[in-house]
Amino acid sequence: DIVMTQTPLSLSVTPGQPASISCKSSQSLLHSDGKTYLYWYLQKPGQSPQVLIYEVSNRFSGVPDRFSGSGSGTDFTLKISRVEAEDVGIYYCMQSIQLPLTFGGGTKVEIK
Amino acid sequence: QVQLVESGGGVVQPGGSLRLSCAASGFTFTYYGMHWVRQAPGKGLEWVAFIRYDGSNKYYADSVKGRFTISRDNSKNTLYLQMSSLRAEDTAVYYCAKDWGLLTGLFDYWGQGTLVTVSS
Repeated sequence: DIVMTQTPLSLSVTPGQPASISCKSSQSLLHSDGKTYLYWYLQKPGQSPQVLIYEVSNRFSGVPDRFSGSGSGTDFTLKISRVEAEDVGIYYCMQSIQLPLTFGGGTKVEIK
Repeated sequence: QVQLVESGGGVVQPGGSLRLSCAASGFTFTYYGMHWVRQAPGKGLEWVAFIRYDGSNKYYADSVKGRFTISRDNSKNTLYLQMSSLRAEDTAVYYCAKDWGLLTGLFDYWGQGTLVTVSS
């Protein structure tokens, strides 16, 4: 199974400041079709998860442009350019290049 | 609008069985793969199972293989998860999630979840 490792475990951010979350996979997520199957999800408190980013860097419909994803191969980053109060929650990366689909352990983002 | 509504959760004894349902609406159910994802209390997300749009292929996490069965009834727009030989470690909120396509890993819609508690 592909192991997804996220750091840090938690992050406390002042509103308006940037935040960055790292995700590393135990195997390359680059498929022979040229796509890299890395996703980012956010689970806000008391809610179901929601997708933010697909295939490393594509924002899903309705996701604010303060969220951006980058990376390649086995190393990926989610960045929030200016954190807002509504961004609190747990962020998960996930790979789908290989079954079973696997998630990172999550990064909890709080507001200072 | 797209809605996924899970039901069937509850308290069950170890070794027991339970069937979860996920009623889908607001999209053409027969076109999309569907997943079950679970979250143990205070823990992260764990993918459980996937079924192709037509039910022809099913995939499972090793932790549930041989004990859980995913199925769907496209005439009823409903996804199921039959769980048997339940263990304490199966205690979790179970979410159904719609795949963006056939099997992309992009879960574009999630249900609200249903809690399964395995306890004597």
